[in-house]
Formats: sequence, C-alpha cells, structure tokens
Amino acid sequence: GAVVSQHPSRVICKSGTSVKIECRSLDFQATTMFWYRQFPKKSLMLMATSNEGSKATYEQGVEKDKFLINHASLTLSTLTVTSAHPEDSSFYICSASAPTLRETQYFGPGTRLLVL
Amino acid sequence: GQNIDQPTEMTATEGAIVQINCTYQTSGFNGLFWYQQHAGEAPTFLSYNVLDGLEEKGRFSSFLSRSKGYSYLLLKELQMKDSASYLCAVREDNQGGKLIFGQGTELSVKP
Repeated sequence: GAVVSQHPSRVICKSGTSVKIECRSLDFQATTMFWYRQFPKKSLMLMATSNEGSKATYEQGVEKDKFLINHASLTLSTLTVTSAHPEDSSFYICSASAPTLRETQYFGPGTRLLVL
Repeated sequence: GQNIDQPTEMTATEGAIVQINCTYQTSGFNGLFWYQQHAGEAPTFLSYNVLDGLEEKGRFSSFLSRSKGYSYLLLKELQMKDSASYLCAVREDNQGGKLIFGQGTELSVKP
C-alpha cells in the first residue's frame, strides 16, 4: 500500500515553454501533498505544501507564479513550471500523506526536467 | 532554529552492521523518519519513531531519544544494495506535517 506515482518520469523542453507534472496517490486518499526539488548530491528542498481544495502554501523564496500547484482531488496534485528556463532543470519529487497513514510522507518516483 | 545533523558519508563492509546517527534541534517534535534514497531515485520510507525506544523492521532498526534529540538507524547484515543515501527527517507538530530533512548520509557498502 501507499503507492504514489508521478508523470512524466522525464521531460525535455525548450526554454519558455510550460511543463506540467502530475502526482497521484494510487491506493489511498492523500489529504496533503508536497512538492520538492532536489539538486545533484543535495537533500530535498521543499517547495510547497498543498491540501485538497485549497491554495498551496509555498516556502520562502519559491515563486508561486512560476510554480503553479493545483490539488484538485484527494488523489491528484499537479505542478506546472511556467515559462521554464535552464535554471529550472532539476529533479522534482512529490510526496503524499494521509491521517490513515500516520501522516507519513510517501514519495513518488520523481520527474527529471531538462530545459534547453 | 532548526538543525538536523547526520554524517555526510560512511563506508561499511558487506555482512557487517552500521549505525547512522542523527541529531536534531527543532522548535517542535511530532515524529522522526528515516528514508533511503538510491541515486537518481526518489526516497523510500524506512521507519518512523515518535516515542523513545527501538523500532525493528527486519534488517533495519531505528532508535529515538527525544530528551537527547537523537536518533540512529541500524542496518544489519549489510548487502551491496544497501549502498544509498539515508535521510533523517523530523516533523514539527506545528508545520502542517511538513518534514525537515537532514543532508543525508551517503553509505557505501564494500565487498
């Protein structure tokens, strides 16, 4: 149990385009989903926390207009990187949690974004 | 402030036992988590401690002392596939469930 999927697993796009990443909890209803990015050999950096049906809470320094988060249902959250630039290239990982799982965060497999 | 410390790197031998320590200083505490992350992959959940003591799960055990702000992850009968980064994370009780991660300990298991 507690499986989280992400799509796509890898994406290459041109500078200036927008990219949408989906995060789904497959076998549980996630009251909260989290979005992280990770640079090589670095730890996870939390970008935002989202609860179903409400606006995401962004961490300091994360541009909410650049990283649009939508948590439309208890099993789906999306992160859209708008007008992507090469510096947005990174490994983006989502996680999901639920009270039934003691609020343990279960991570998706990650999305590797490369902006050319 | 918030601070989570763990060693950057450790090396151990196949079949041996290794202990990865984590100390934390946070404004609140509502549980400590250990995750394993292989290179290029997302973290996988290993263990959760919220009360003092030892939690055992097969070859992996995790210990917590809240009074000392200290935890360790113990890996027994090491296998080559255990080579990975091990992340210690603390959940503060007033942060909506968000985790504060340590920098991770890169464990190399040698034959």
